[in-house]
Amino acid sequence: SSELTQDPAVSVALGQTVRITCQGDSLRNYYASWYQQKPGQAPVLVIYGKNNRPSGIPDRFSGSSSGNTASFTITGAQAEDEADYYCNSRDSSTNHLLFGGGTKLTVL
Amino acid sequence: EVQLVESGGGLIQPGGSLRLSCAASGFTVSSNYMNWVRQAPGRGLEWVSVIYSGGGTYYADSVRGRFTISRDNSKNTLYLQMTSLRAEDTALYYCARGLYGSGSHYFDYWGQGTLVTVSS
Repeated sequence: SSELTQDPAVSVALGQTVRITCQGDSLRNYYASWYQQKPGQAPVLVIYGKNNRPSGIPDRFSGSSSGNTASFTITGAQAEDEADYYCNSRDSSTNHLLFGGGTKLTVL
Repeated sequence: EVQLVESGGGLIQPGGSLRLSCAASGFTVSSNYMNWVRQAPGRGLEWVSVIYSGGGTYYADSVRGRFTISRDNSKNTLYLQMTSLRAEDTALYYCARGLYGSGSHYFDYWGQGTLVTVSS
């Protein structure tokens, strides 16, 4: 399958840990990248590679991978982490880039 | 400082054509792989097209045969020529710089988007 599947919505209590997952066959060949998008704003890269954060991204954000599943974890969620999160990868058979459907994170 | 600025969006009738532009600064478009990504109102991100540094191009199935991605190296600008537009092409169109490294493909810089509305 050339799709990436994410849970549509996840919630977490303030200060707790939350994991967002992304499944797809392309993740057996590439690590996922992850993006945060807040309302009215462009997406922002937060994780790429095995577990790399661009400059300025908080270290409470991390990524991991196993088989066809990539995970994005926020350890100690903050109110400002409430956003939509998207995973991304590449389908090596078609050379198409792929996005997951997105996960809306609510911080309670 | 890397910057991407899209333009060219607007209201267009079904079946019409539109050309989007993405002016880049702070890096060379032709040395990177550049993408168009769109987001329909209230929906998720959808990858549309890519042009690689070597000139190779690829398109999502939903736009292949109707959209053409290109670049002007002298202007350091990326384009998306859209024809035979449909209502379902209505979206905010982003250009994004693509990179490959550390075992993943990723988009490190995004523009603010240009809105395309296809409606009669």
